[in-house]
Amino acid sequence: GNSVTQMEGPVTLSEEAFLTINCTYTATGYPSLFWYVQYPGEGLQLLLKATKADDKGSNKGFEATYRKETTSFHLEKGSVQVSDSAVYFCALSDQQNYGGSQGNLIFGKGTKLSVKP
Amino acid sequence: NAGVTQTPKFQVLKTGQSMTLQCAQDMNHNSMYWYRQDPGMGLRLIYYSASEGTTDKGEVPNGYNVSRLNKREFSLRLESAAPSQTSVYFCASSEGSAQQYYGYTFGSGTRLTVV
Repeated sequence: GNSVTQMEGPVTLSEEAFLTINCTYTATGYPSLFWYVQYPGEGLQLLLKATKADDKGSNKGFEATYRKETTSFHLEKGSVQVSDSAVYFCALSDQQNYGGSQGNLIFGKGTKLSVKP
Repeated sequence: NAGVTQTPKFQVLKTGQSMTLQCAQDMNHNSMYWYRQDPGMGLRLIYYSASEGTTDKGEVPNGYNVSRLNKREFSLRLESAAPSQTSVYFCASSEGSAQQYYGYTFGSGTRLTVV
C-alpha cells in the first residue's frame, strides 16, 4: 500500500542553519504531496504542497520539490529561525489524479525540529 | 474565519466513563476525519466521513463510534474509556474530491487523559 517515510528526529539546529528534512514515499499513480507543520500545543497547518512531478511548493522560506524519479519530497529552508521550532509532517494523497474515487491523506510519523538561538 | 472547531480542548476521564468529542467546520467541506496523535506514532486515522450520511473505519476504530450529524458536524464517541485512549485527538475536514489540491484543514485538538 501507499506509505510515507520521514527521517527520524529530533533535529536540533542553530539559528540561521540550513534545514533538510527527508521524505520519501511509496505510491501507485500520481499522488499529491504535502508538508504540514504543527507548532507546540496546536493543530496541523498546511505548509506547502505539490500536485505533480517536478512541481516545487514553497511558503515562509520553506521549499520542497516533487521528485518522481527518486519518490522524494524533501523539505528545505536556507536559514532557520527559533520560531520554526515545530513538528513537520510529510503526507501524500492516496488518490490517483485521473478522476477516481476519493482517497485519504497518508501521513509520515513527523520530525521534530528544535532551533537554538 | 473559524475553520474547524473542536470541543472540549482538555478532558480527564475515569476508566469506563463515556464522552463525546465534538467537531464542527464552517467551510462547507464534504469530508471530515478523526485522528489520534501519540508520541512516536504520528497521526492515525480513527474514522472518516466522505460525505454527509456516510462513515467509514480508519486504521484504529476499535473503542470508538462516530456520527456525521449534518454536513458541518462530526462527533467522536468513547463508550467506555480506557487508559490506552489517552491521546490528542484531531478533527479535520476537506473538500473531498478536491483534497488532492487543497489538503486538509485541522482543528486545534482535544487533549484527553483517561485515568
